[in-house]
Amino acid sequence: AQTVTQSQPEMSVQEAETVTLSCTYDTSENNYYLFWYKQPPSRQMILVIRQEAYKQQNATENRFSVNFQKAAKSFSLKISDSQLGDTAMYFCAFVRGAQKLVFGQGTRLTINP
Amino acid sequence: NAGVTQTPKFQVLKTGQSMTLQCAQDMNHNSMYWYRQDPGMGLRLIYYSASEGTTDKGEVPNGYNVSRLNKREFSLRLESAAPSQTSVYFCASRGRDERENSYEQYFGPGTRLTVT
Repeated sequence: AQTVTQSQPEMSVQEAETVTLSCTYDTSENNYYLFWYKQPPSRQMILVIRQEAYKQQNATENRFSVNFQKAAKSFSLKISDSQLGDTAMYFCAFVRGAQKLVFGQGTRLTINP
Repeated sequence: NAGVTQTPKFQVLKTGQSMTLQCAQDMNHNSMYWYRQDPGMGLRLIYYSASEGTTDKGEVPNGYNVSRLNKREFSLRLESAAPSQTSVYFCASRGRDERENSYEQYFGPGTRLTVT
């Protein structure tokens, strides 16, 4: 069975700093997708970024980028120029094809003014 | 295009009462899911429906039933609510995003349920 591990329960940085959230996963599959979701205090789950395993290029979405290391089964999220609105829980998730998403335990990120 | 909608947003029940949480999606997705999220924790899958007419148990199905009414709607029923079911419930749907060539999962806004 696939598992997803987020080893940092909480992180805190100053506004405008860069922060990296870690995620590792375990799978024997070769083709799959990885996601980062953000959950702000409003509780809404918001898709931040996705990565297809067959793509070598790391995904980027504005200030958000990933470092995808397929051999190491690592999928970290980098937030550049962090903003107060980035304060949220962040969940890493894995899925293969049409199967169910497997979520990590989450990292609570606080951006301090 | 409303995405995934859930009703109600908030609910307070007494122990032993029953209720149904409603979920609908307008993205023509095949798969739908119900999760619960307890304070300070991640999402745990209660039930899911891979396609219209099918449902399967997730990690924490006890005390719940589901109905996939049609492709759009997937309801979650608590037959006899217990305080341990106090939680925030999320519905989600998932389907192939042709534009992104990826399977995307979208979440509803959540239902905050308190059982006293």
